Amino acid sequence: AQSVTQLGSHVSVSEGALVLLRCNYSSSVPPYLFWYVQYPNQGLQLLLKYTTGATLVKGINGFEAEFKKSETSFHLTKPSAHMSDAAEYFCAVSASRAAGNKLTFGGGTRVLVKP
Amino acid sequence: GAGVSQSPRYKVAKRGQDVALRCDPISGHVSLFWYQQALGQGPEFLTYFQNEAQLDKSGLPSDRFFAERPEGSVSTLKIQRTQQEDSAVYLCASSRQGGGNEKLFFGSGTQLSVL
Repeated sequence: AQSVTQLGSHVSVSEGALVLLRCNYSSSVPPYLFWYVQYPNQGLQLLLKYTTGATLVKGINGFEAEFKKSETSFHLTKPSAHMSDAAEYFCAVSASRAAGNKLTFGGGTRVLVKP
Repeated sequence: GAGVSQSPRYKVAKRGQDVALRCDPISGHVSLFWYQQALGQGPEFLTYFQNEAQLDKSGLPSDRFFAERPEGSVSTLKIQRTQQEDSAVYLCASSRQGGGNEKLFFGSGTQLSVL
């Protein structure tokens, strides 16, 4: 079984400041890891994912995340926040590439960007 | 279609009423998932279809919940005798094959309020 913990349900950053969203996972097998973003009144959109290979993963809108197996973490960062980054962010884990292997989501972190 | 479409966008039901929520996945996507997202929480898996076959319904919270995808495209999630605890956003997602390493495309969800 998998689980995901996102530290901090709300994060407030100033425009131009670093965005850091923390995600720790638990999985009995090598995981596949994802970050999704949810803008108001929209569906979840994939920001980035880690499956195999390079542990530093780059996604859309300037976001990146690093898979650290020893720390069971997959933290999301963006060097400089923009007002348009205000949204809710979800970390998720999957245990297998097999068809139908469902995602387990964390509780989400809502990001507020201050001008 | 261009994306995953869900209807209705909002549904208000009286306790004990039956409801039906519709999902139109992206054309050609084999896999379809339903998730339930309670207020302030991350999405939780309900059920999975590969074409018309419901291969995993382990997340359905009770036998009042029923899902179908009879022709392998449109899916309907039905909730019988709704209860207040059923109030949540119901998300539908589709993917090309449904592998655990694949990107999921989410609809905007149906927000169900049971009074």
